[in-house]
Amino acid sequence: DAKTTQPPSMDCAEGRAANLPCNHSTISGNEYVYWYRQIHSQGPQYIIHGLKNNETNEMASLIITEDRKSSTLILPHATLRDTAVYYCIVRVVNYGGSQGNLIFGKGTKLSVKP
Amino acid sequence: DAGVIQSPRHEVTEMGQEVTLRCKPISGHDYLFWYRQTMMRGLELLIYFNNNVPIDDSGMPEDRFSAKMPNASFSTLKIQPSEPRDSAVYFCASSPGTGNYEQYFGPGTRLTVT
Repeated sequence: DAKTTQPPSMDCAEGRAANLPCNHSTISGNEYVYWYRQIHSQGPQYIIHGLKNNETNEMASLIITEDRKSSTLILPHATLRDTAVYYCIVRVVNYGGSQGNLIFGKGTKLSVKP
Repeated sequence: DAGVIQSPRHEVTEMGQEVTLRCKPISGHDYLFWYRQTMMRGLELLIYFNNNVPIDDSGMPEDRFSAKMPNASFSTLKIQPSEPRDSAVYFCASSPGTGNYEQYFGPGTRLTVT
């Protein structure tokens, strides 16, 4: 089962910041927070990941609370092409048996509206 | 790089027939994953390989499913005999297994079993 809880859906106005929350209250010390998204009819796409520090790349920013029990993915200027299902996943960063598997929950369906 | 390549993109077959799905991972990636996505169960891992060796096949639903990776550039997922409940989108993904352990997904094969 997924170790994360996300709202099922969110709306965002085009050009505004989209803030997608994720709860992972049972996260272990060696688990990272990963975010993927899936645009309709496509395969999932990696966005960003982090352990405890905030992270930023060309796609998004990831804010992780100090206790690491929750995080927020921020798309600073959402466009219509950002409409997708966003998955928050916690995992260890190695592959050993099933430890490194990506376990996808139901994610958050983000709708960016003009 | 062309990314992960899957074929066919769409497959329609009759119950009882054998189905073979194909995947070419990104060159140089040591890990290959097969996922299945349905509305009811979401995205779930079926099996993954490291250096062509199956590591974890606990997600394979039953003996009708089999996967092989004869070399580093090719993998197959076979269903024999197929059943209507096997209808789903099947994704292949590959990963370098180093760095951020990001998985790169293919476009998927949409399988319909009538």
